[in-house]
Amino acid sequence: NAGVTQTPKFQVLKTGQSMTLQCAQDMNHNSMYWYRQDPGMGLRLIYYSASEGTTDKGEVPNGYNVSRLNKREFSLRLESAAPSQTSVYFCAIRDLSNQPQHFGDGTRLSIL
Amino acid sequence: AQSVTQLGSHVSVSEGALVLLRCNYSSSVPPYLFWYVQYPNQGLQLLLKYTSAATLVKGINGFEAEFKKSETSFHLTKPSAHMSDAAEYFCAVRGYNQGGKLIFGQGTELSVKP
Repeated sequence: NAGVTQTPKFQVLKTGQSMTLQCAQDMNHNSMYWYRQDPGMGLRLIYYSASEGTTDKGEVPNGYNVSRLNKREFSLRLESAAPSQTSVYFCAIRDLSNQPQHFGDGTRLSIL
Repeated sequence: AQSVTQLGSHVSVSEGALVLLRCNYSSSVPPYLFWYVQYPNQGLQLLLKYTSAATLVKGINGFEAEFKKSETSFHLTKPSAHMSDAAEYFCAVRGYNQGGKLIFGQGTELSVKP
């Protein structure tokens, strides 16, 4: 999906390890989002950022932190990974409020 | 509270047959509605959107959806299925809080038989 780049694409962690998922956009959109996708549950919002320097909690923020240091990048950090955080993580961006969100290709994260 | 319900987690059709994927929404404000498609190991791609203009919305790959306020529905259709349509489809409504997050249905996996 052009415009939203997520790294890494795959990752396996052990319980208790930490890692940061990266998201970068080249579309100059203000809003950025982190979702997690679990089977049969659609996607659920973890955190979002309405503009550079601001972040807010979504539906399922526990166990995560985020950082929006500039307009282009929005990172998601797991401080102490747990098996319940095994999921596919998607970053999304949006320009105006009545426009759709554009998604990256996802990070597939397994925690053993 | 806003919500989206997709009826049927799996739908199977024959190639050339009509595709109908059902979506019902709940919203206390005029909704913005979206259909996304996800191919295996890929992200979500926008198929079409409803943002209070025409009630019949045409999207990519021959898909369309009709907004019916009286039925609170936004069903996705395609007259003739193609093998390449096999994927998972998500209906979503834009939330009015939490930064305009998308509220997703649980998804419908479409299989196309030759």
